[in-house]
Amino acid sequence: AQSVSQHNHHVILSEAASLELGCNYSYGGTVNLFWYVQYPGQHLQLLLKYFSGDPLVKGIKGFEAEFIKSKFSFNLRKPSVQWSDTAEYFCAVNFHMNYGGATNKLIFGTGTLLAVQP
Amino acid sequence: DARVTQTPRDKVTEMGQEVTMRCQPILGHNTVFWYRQTMMQGLELLAYFRNRAPLDDSGMPKDRFSAEMPDATLATLKIQPSEPRDSAVYFCASGLGGEQFFGPGTRLTVL
Repeated sequence: AQSVSQHNHHVILSEAASLELGCNYSYGGTVNLFWYVQYPGQHLQLLLKYFSGDPLVKGIKGFEAEFIKSKFSFNLRKPSVQWSDTAEYFCAVNFHMNYGGATNKLIFGTGTLLAVQP
Repeated sequence: DARVTQTPRDKVTEMGQEVTMRCQPILGHNTVFWYRQTMMQGLELLAYFRNRAPLDDSGMPKDRFSAEMPDATLATLKIQPSEPRDSAVYFCASGLGGEQFFGPGTRLTVL
């Protein structure tokens, strides 16, 4: 079965530190990849997405992610975090089936809670 | 700025009562998803629809939960009877081509 793993469940950083959150998935076929962010008390919002093309994707608020197909990974990065980045971050994958169609269903990782200390 | 809307935003009810949550997807989106989020279980997919047809409701307790799309502008999630363990935030999302847009959620508390 397809699955998505986020290895860091809870990350604490100081402001201006660099961030990298890991995301791995278990499928060798075609995938669409997403990172969502959920600020305290709010709904999930899309940070960035990868469908095809340049494997280095830039999103909102200075975030970027790199798709490494050989490692089945889509890690999220930010060179310098701010207190306002405190949130939960979810990696999600849309798996394309063998017949070539996307399932439309997203498989979510368990989330990484990021706390940025001022 | 198109967005998914959900009502009510907050609902407090007593055990045994019926609860209905509503979602208006973004116009033109052909898929609608219902998720439940709790501290213990995280984000769980309950059901989803494509072109109003239910595709997968395997994540939903069938005896008490039901999800419908009476028309393209409305999706409903009903719990009858509700139980305290149903307390959670319920999110609706709509999508097109794999990407999903989330609504603000309904925070349900069952006493």
